[in-house]
Amino acid sequence: GAVVSQHPSRVICKSGTSVKIECRSLDFQATTMFWYRQFPKQSLMLMATSNEGSKATYEQGVEKDKFLINHASLTLSTLTVTSAHPEDSSFYICSARDIMEGPYEQYFGPGTRLTVT
Amino acid sequence: DAKTTQPPSMDCAEGRAANLPCNHSTISGNEYVYWYRQIHSQGPQYIIHGLKNNETNEMASLIITEDRKSSTLILPHATLRDTAVYYCIVRVINFGNEKLTFGTGTRLTIIP
Repeated sequence: GAVVSQHPSRVICKSGTSVKIECRSLDFQATTMFWYRQFPKQSLMLMATSNEGSKATYEQGVEKDKFLINHASLTLSTLTVTSAHPEDSSFYICSARDIMEGPYEQYFGPGTRLTVT
Repeated sequence: DAKTTQPPSMDCAEGRAANLPCNHSTISGNEYVYWYRQIHSQGPQYIIHGLKNNETNEMASLIITEDRKSSTLILPHATLRDTAVYYCIVRVINFGNEKLTFGTGTRLTIIP
């Protein structure tokens, strides 16, 4: 089946620094990738939709200058949390859509747990 | 996408069938019913989806009522590894709009 990986799986950073999270589709091409955020005991909230070669579309309330998304190839999207603060501590999950498999399923990565101290 | 309603939690004995209900009374004719689950601290996992007919795969069965206003996910022989949060999502299959809107889901606990 389709596999999506994320790196790193866990990261601890100091307040004010930036953190980059990678999302890769390992065995398929993904024109579209999605980034979600999940706080403890809450559901997943979509942050942005990322299309290869174009600018990401952010959901209402998500700061695009704080959460930089780059989708430079069909197998890699990155999320950079800039000037991280403790309230950015969360579980970040990406998903990727396999363009060859209908009806356009999304496959999820294992998530990245970010802790900002 | 239509809104769904699920019970917040359920218990099921190991080896028994787990039946997870979902109400989607405002579902449109072109919206599919999808089920995902999320085991603690992992990404969601696709389980099954359907439009009108009942569906079965190696993981589960999906029963959709004739009026399509509700559905039930059935795990036929629950194991401890099925303990997870189960999300019922209704969505349109549209090349230009692939958003998944996650509700609060049902926390299923399998009891030994």
